[in-house]
Amino acid sequence: SAVISQKPSRDICQRGTSLTIQCQVDSQVTMMFWYRQQPGQSLTLIATANQGSEATYESGFVIDKFPISRPNLTFSTLTVSNMSPEDSSIYLCSVVGLAGVNNEQFFGPGTRLTVL
Amino acid sequence: RKEVEQDPGPFNVPEGATVAFNCTYSNSASQSFFWYRQDCRKEPKLLMSVYSSGNEDGRFTAQLNRASQYISLLIRDSKLSDSATYLCVVNRAGSYQLTFGKGTKLSVIP
Repeated sequence: SAVISQKPSRDICQRGTSLTIQCQVDSQVTMMFWYRQQPGQSLTLIATANQGSEATYESGFVIDKFPISRPNLTFSTLTVSNMSPEDSSIYLCSVVGLAGVNNEQFFGPGTRLTVL
Repeated sequence: RKEVEQDPGPFNVPEGATVAFNCTYSNSASQSFFWYRQDCRKEPKLLMSVYSSGNEDGRFTAQLNRASQYISLLIRDSKLSDSATYLCVVNRAGSYQLTFGKGTKLSVIP
C-alpha cells in the first residue's frame, strides 16, 4: 500500500492560534478526506478534500474553522483555526483510490493536537 | 438510532478463545462494509472488507446480513497481538465517505 505521511505528528498550541496539518501520499489517489478523533471517541468525518476546488464539509464543520486545500492528487492540508481546548483531538487524513484497491480507505498516522 | 452501533466491550478473553463482535447499521442503502483495527495511539488499519457472501481471512471471518443490517466479525484462536479496538465501518450510499462505529475493545489475556 502507499505511504501516507502527516506533519506534524503532534503539537501543543495556545488557544486562539492556528495550526496547519499536511498530508502527503507517495502516489496519486482519487479522494482524500480529513477526520477527527476526539479522546475516547471514534472517527468523525470533517470534510472531503477536492482537488482544485473547495472542500465539501460535513454537518457541524465549516470552512472558516477548518480551511482545507488540495492543490494536487497527492497532497492536502487542513488548518485548525482560532483553536480552543475543545479542538484537542487526533486529526487524520485518509485516501481512496490507490492502484488496485479502488474502494478501500487508508489512513495517515494522525496528528495529535493539544490546545492549552 | 445511531448510524453504526457496536458493543463497546471491553471483551477480555484468554489466548486461544474464539470471540465474536457484532455491529448494526441504520442506512439500508449502504453498499460497502469494513472492519478496521485500531491499536492504542495509532491510526485505524483496514482488517478486512465484508462481502455479502461472507469472507474469511485466516483466523478472521466476516459476515453480512443485509436484511437485518447486521455485520459480524469472528476471531478464532485469539492471540495476544489481537488486542486492539475493532471498528465497524459502513460507507454512505453512493459515496466513499465512511461512518465509523465507536469500536469494540478486545483484550486477549495470557
